Amino acid sequence: AQSVTQLDSHVSVSEGTPVLLRCNYSSSYSPSLFWYVQHPNKGLQLLLKYTSAATLVKGINGFEAEFKKSETSFHLTKPSAHMSDAAEYFCVVSVLGKLIFGQGTTLQVKP
Amino acid sequence: GAGVSQSPSNKVTEKGKDVELRCDPISGHTALYWYRQSLGQGLEFLIYFQGNSAPDKSGLPSDRFSAERTGGSVSTLTIQRTQQEDSAVYLCASSPDRDYEQYFGPGTRLTVT
Repeated sequence: AQSVTQLDSHVSVSEGTPVLLRCNYSSSYSPSLFWYVQHPNKGLQLLLKYTSAATLVKGINGFEAEFKKSETSFHLTKPSAHMSDAAEYFCVVSVLGKLIFGQGTTLQVKP
Repeated sequence: GAGVSQSPSNKVTEKGKDVELRCDPISGHTALYWYRQSLGQGLEFLIYFQGNSAPDKSGLPSDRFSAERTGGSVSTLTIQRTQQEDSAVYLCASSPDRDYEQYFGPGTRLTVT
């Protein structure tokens, strides 16, 4: 069965420092992978998606993720955190159109 | 343009009552999805409609849950004989077709007392 595992439930960084949110996936074939963000009391927003066109995927707000098949990973990164990045982040795999969500990582950004 | 809308935004109901949650997808989107977000279970898929095909109901947690989509547009999720464990945020999403980006609505927060 396809699934995703987010390795950290909570990540805390200082403003201006790099962000790394880790995600491993389990899939029997080439998956469609996504990162979604959910700000407090807001809806889910797509950050970026991987659909096998390129292993390095650039998203909105300076985020990017690299698909590594050998490591079955799809980690989300950003070079410099901003206070507005504080939110819940979900790694997601699509299975026949249905989204399977990871448990989420809460990103805290300290001034 | 208008995004996915859901109503009501909040619903408080007594245990045992039936509730209906509504979703208006983005115009022209053929695929519509329902998900549930709860503290204990995280975000989980419930049901998926694609055009005129039979819906994929594989995520519905019990036969108290049902959904319909009329005219290929508006969808209603119905929970019969609500239980406290049904308390959650119910999210609706739509996409132009299967495997395209899903656009989420703001959700309906259901509280069963």
